[in-house]
Amino acid sequence: GAGVSQSPSNKVTEKGKDVELRCDPISGHTALYWYRQRLGQGLEFLIYFQGNSAPDKSGLPSDRFSAERTGESVSTLTIQRTQQEDSAVYLCASSLGGVETQYFGPGTRLLVL
Amino acid sequence: QKEVEQNSGPLSVPEGAIASLNCTYSDRGSQSFFWYRQYSGKSPELIMSIYSNGDKEDGRFTAQLNKASQYVSLLIRDSQPSDSATYLCAVGLLVIYNQGGKLIFGQGTELSVKP
Repeated sequence: GAGVSQSPSNKVTEKGKDVELRCDPISGHTALYWYRQRLGQGLEFLIYFQGNSAPDKSGLPSDRFSAERTGESVSTLTIQRTQQEDSAVYLCASSLGGVETQYFGPGTRLLVL
Repeated sequence: QKEVEQNSGPLSVPEGAIASLNCTYSDRGSQSFFWYRQYSGKSPELIMSIYSNGDKEDGRFTAQLNKASQYVSLLIRDSQPSDSATYLCAVGLLVIYNQGGKLIFGQGTELSVKP
């Protein structure tokens, strides 16, 4: 079946612009995670959605970052007023439950000039 | 103390040797444990999951779990250059306010297998 998909695969933007990243999880997966991975670094947790529970936003680095998810479907991560330090790969993962196997999408490579 | 800790490496082993990757975790209530592999420029992919104390083998890979010591490891036998990657340990953390819990990743160990 279809895996986790993300779009766009690459995004180049200018400093100060807003960007929106999209994640389509595997159908039926109630849990959805967003991570940031800078070049040569580990996974940095950003936000976690689990069913209808309030999202865990504890990893969002600043109020410029926000994310939404409608039900158990698509999620969007929005970065407002992008900065050069936002340049990274943004990974989305979904799972059947919060502590179950996560399946990762291919990521969105964001470059802020 | 970090919730999930791994040595960052790099760990370098010769081809054909056994590579041993280690991970410790802080939450004694954790029940699910995973090893992921991430090649440079790619997304993490699942290698193995383990839920019970002891060893679990899958081909050249063996995961070992010791809940009393809060320790999980991954052994790679007959290491190949194609095994060169970053290996991520992930632990299911029980979160009181969210009954579904949450998966926490370590920072990863870089493995290099030399021909």
